[in-house]
Amino acid sequence: DAKTTQPNSMESNEEEPVHLPCNHSTISGTDYIHWYRQLPSQGPEYVIHGLTSNVNNRMASLAIAEDRKSSTLILHRATLRDAAVYYCILRDVRGNAGNMLTFGGGTRLMVKP
Amino acid sequence: DADVTQTPRNRITKTGKRIMLECSQTKGHDRMYWYRQDPGLGLRLIYYSFDVKDINKGEISDGYSVSRQAQAKFSLSLESAIPNQTALYFCATSDFLGQGAQYFGPGTRLTVL
Repeated sequence: DAKTTQPNSMESNEEEPVHLPCNHSTISGTDYIHWYRQLPSQGPEYVIHGLTSNVNNRMASLAIAEDRKSSTLILHRATLRDAAVYYCILRDVRGNAGNMLTFGGGTRLMVKP
Repeated sequence: DADVTQTPRNRITKTGKRIMLECSQTKGHDRMYWYRQDPGLGLRLIYYSFDVKDINKGEISDGYSVSRQAQAKFSLSLESAIPNQTALYFCATSDFLGQGAQYFGPGTRLTVL
């Protein structure tokens, strides 16, 4: 299975943009890039996903490198509520494997007031 | 009301006891999952079910069993609990789309003494 590499932790100031990087150099053509986050004492929460093109939704933006070997989750204006562990996950949509979420260690984002 | 609910939210039990964790969902999804999370780590898949008659082992199924009683209900059992099964357990659901989001419950904190 293709793996992802993320920094263990990052810090941000409130109301500033945050760029969370993810490396996935062994990504295959059928791997979607998914991002989830887990707030303290809660279950993981879906954030965004994409295949090749950049994606935007109400929570965040996902920028995918042209060679797809890396991606960046962008929070446009961090709030204290965005403090969480962010997981970058590859999902191969072929067969049963497409429904698995394999969580790594993620990036712990700390937001300072 | 929450779309994915788990009961109990917290449970303390003793080694050797049988424990059942229950998950219910109102999202109408066919696919349901059980994950466990250990402190400081990401989630690992225990079992998953694509419909009532289709149940599959995940990454760490030893020591666990599941029952899919209905489309909306998926239970996880520990036949004889042991201390290293102390963890946070999450249930999740998803629709049939391979690249769709998974929706997680609030978790059950299980302590085995």
